[in-house]
Order: sequence, then C-alpha cells, then structure tokens
Amino acid sequence: SAVISQKPSRDICQRGTSLTIQCQVDSQVTMMFWYRQQPGQSLTLIATANQGSEATYESGFVIDKFPISRPNLTFSTLTVSNMSPEDSSIYLCSVSGGGKNIQYFGAGTRLSVL
Amino acid sequence: QKEVEQDPGPLSVPEGAIVSLNCTYSNSAFQYFMWYRQYSRKGPELLMYTYSSGNKEDGRFTAQVDKSSKYISLFIRDSQPSDSATYLCAMSAKAAGNKLTFGGGTRVLVKP
Repeated sequence: SAVISQKPSRDICQRGTSLTIQCQVDSQVTMMFWYRQQPGQSLTLIATANQGSEATYESGFVIDKFPISRPNLTFSTLTVSNMSPEDSSIYLCSVSGGGKNIQYFGAGTRLSVL
Repeated sequence: QKEVEQDPGPLSVPEGAIVSLNCTYSNSAFQYFMWYRQYSRKGPELLMYTYSSGNKEDGRFTAQVDKSSKYISLFIRDSQPSDSATYLCAMSAKAAGNKLTFGGGTRVLVKP
C-alpha cells in the first residue's frame, strides 16, 4: 500500500480566508481523491483528481469553492476557499492502486473555521 | 434511502467476544467490497477487500458478501480493546471506476 502524507494535520482558520491542503504520495498513482468527513459522519467524495486534466467534482461541490491541483503523479492540493464555519470538517485524500478498486487514505486534515 | 446502510452503533462488547458488523446496499452493480477501520483522529485503514460474493478470512477478521441479499458482514473474533474504532463498509461498481460509496460507519467499543 502507498504511504500518504497530508499537510497540515490540523488548522484553525478565520471566516472568509482560504486554506490549501497538500497530499503527497510515496509512489506514482493515477487517481487521487479528496473527501470530506463531517463530525460523526461518513466520508463524502468531493472530487477525483487526475494528473493532466481538470478534477471531476461530485454533485454539491464546485471548483470555485474547492479548487484542486494535480501537477504530477505523486502530489495534489485541495483549497477550501472563502471558508465559513460550515466548512469545519476533516478533509482526507486517498489514492487508488494495485489494479483493484481499493483506496488508501491519508491521516486527514482537521479544519476548524471560526 | 441511502445507497449503503450501516447501523451507527455504538456497539459495545466485552473483550474476547465476537464483533459482528454488517451493511446493506441497494445497487446491484456493486462488485467490490471493502471494510475500513478508523481510529479517532486518524484516516481510514483498509482491513478487508472482497470481490463479488463469498467469504474471506485474515487472522481474526472474516468478511462475507452475499450479493443475492445485498448484504455484507465483518466478523472480528477474540476482540481486543485495541479493536475499539469506527468500522466503515465501502463498495464500488466496475462501471464507476474507482469511486467508492461508503456506509455511515459503526462505532465499536471493546471493554476490557
């Protein structure tokens, strides 16, 4: 399985500001995913990040609010823009690999918006 | 109705007992089934992966898939306090690429 590093591990931000979360993988992967996990809830897919193309967003998530970059096969960023307290959540990146429909997750970024 | 249903618990068991977890789903196209364990303040960790119907055993863990009933289970034998975590089922369909659909998670507490 891949080793996935996420930065920052946690942050406290002010309303109206933006935060960029980084996801680094120790091997080249085709597909990377970004999820949101609200307190006590399960994981909701925000978008799929493919290298060399625009990210594919799920219903309810838009690029202006959650811009994603994928400059190479080992790195991706998710920005949470113009934050409000409703954005307080855990943000997780994951990668798929091994030729199976399996995903491996980073430790997550715990975001609190005041 | 959610595509994947999972009892949120909490499920409290004494140490050494068998933990029984399950998920039901509605999409008959799901072929790949996974169980993840998530400790507090950590990311989900893959426990078991099963393709199509059948059983799979790995140490103290057994995963079962019954596609005819759209029902999957995870059993943990000889449970330990370190098994206390939230367990998430996840599944995907071949046509959906690698996109996973998660259950809501079941919180498990193993008491010493």
